[in-house]
Amino acid sequence: GAVVSQHPSRVICKSGTSVKIECRSLDFQATTMFWYRQFPKQSLMLMATSNEGSKATYEQGVEKDKFLINHASLTLSTLTVTSAHPEDSSFYICSAREGGRLMNTEAFFGQGTRLTVV
Amino acid sequence: AQSVSQHNHHVILSEAASLELGCNYSYGGTVNLFWYVQYPGQHLQLLLKYFSGDPLVKGIKGFEAEFIKSKFSFNLRKPSVQWSDTAEYFCAVQLNFGNEKLTFGTGTRLTIIP
Repeated sequence: GAVVSQHPSRVICKSGTSVKIECRSLDFQATTMFWYRQFPKQSLMLMATSNEGSKATYEQGVEKDKFLINHASLTLSTLTVTSAHPEDSSFYICSAREGGRLMNTEAFFGQGTRLTVV
Repeated sequence: AQSVSQHNHHVILSEAASLELGCNYSYGGTVNLFWYVQYPGQHLQLLLKYFSGDPLVKGIKGFEAEFIKSKFSFNLRKPSVQWSDTAEYFCAVQLNFGNEKLTFGTGTRLTIIP
């Protein structure tokens, strides 16, 4: 299957600083990328959907000014956690999908980023 | 909005036992259905998917799932589990028209006892 690479895999930052997480599709063009957050022993909760070249669509309850998403190219999306606080500590996962509308396409997942805010 | 229910939160089985994990979704339209597995410390991997056609879908590692439209179900099965199947299993649904998001169930933790 297609490969989605997420970087870094782990990051520890101080409270109040910002952290950028990258998500790259290595062998396909990702028209759409999704960002999820996974709490311990829980399911993935979708944070936002981004389409290349346009603004991300955030799920209800997700602060768009805190979780900045940029999808500037067909192979790269970034999630920036701004002014991070300990409650932002979590496992963040991206997924990417190839293809346009009206196509049934599978989403591929990155390996996730463990963010710890101290 | 669609939702996905996985009623089994934690399943414990002995090796060679048969497995069935339940997944029900709520949405009246056409959907795509997925089962993902997350081994300890690893990322999500696709086990199998259903888009259309034969409702009995075969995936990797001996897993299969059956889509029963009338029951809004997509249960995951394996006739004989192995210790290496210990993992978290997630069912997911996607609306069948393009770049739609995946909605995940809460997951089922499967523990296989040697």
